[in-house]
Amino acid sequence: DQQVKQNSPSLSVQEGRISILNCDYTNSMFDYFLWYKKYPAEGPTFLISISSIKDKNEDGRFTVFLNKSAKHLSLHIVPSQPGDSAVYFCAANSGGSNYKLTFGKGTLLTVNP
Amino acid sequence: DAGITQSPRHKVTETGTPVTLRCHQTENHRYMYWYRQDPGHGLRLIHYSYGVKDTDKGEVSDGYSVSRSKTEDFLLTLESATSSQTSVYFCAISGLGTQPQHFGDGTRLSIL
Repeated sequence: DQQVKQNSPSLSVQEGRISILNCDYTNSMFDYFLWYKKYPAEGPTFLISISSIKDKNEDGRFTVFLNKSAKHLSLHIVPSQPGDSAVYFCAANSGGSNYKLTFGKGTLLTVNP
Repeated sequence: DAGITQSPRHKVTETGTPVTLRCHQTENHRYMYWYRQDPGHGLRLIHYSYGVKDTDKGEVSDGYSVSRSKTEDFLLTLESATSSQTSVYFCAISGLGTQPQHFGDGTRLSIL
């Protein structure tokens, strides 16, 4: 039973365009969501998070949108750069704390020059 | 970068042997976690610790045990390794509240 789903295993975009990575969840108790980026042979790196009391959080080129009624969140990267090429993981937890994250399977983003 | 060191970084061993992976942190964070990453599965929580000698099971804990005798060290042990435990293992740490988890660079474990 996969509670956090990233249905697109891969995404390819052109440099300078927008990248949109999607994530769906099934557990209505989830109230805190995070995105991580992972390069090969390295550990995941925290990118951005959002609490369920918000519907948008922005940090530079990265914006996360949360639609609670649809149980859907998305990560927008604008403009996309070749260095953004990595695997992106969506994660969620409940209880207003950070323990016991549930991760999606990840989406491989490739940004072409 | 968060001060997290995983050792060893790579290990090849045989089925049936015991294996211990170490995670060491210099951040004095309360929470520590062990995950495994496998193709098609993303990251799955094995065990976590919420304090010295306080641990609990995660999603895929069968075949694994952990110990935390000091704040800075969290050990993951495979008592009798099996080929299904071939994976990349990540340690993570976090402080209180909504501080995000920070990950080490992983241990690639191959069990032949």
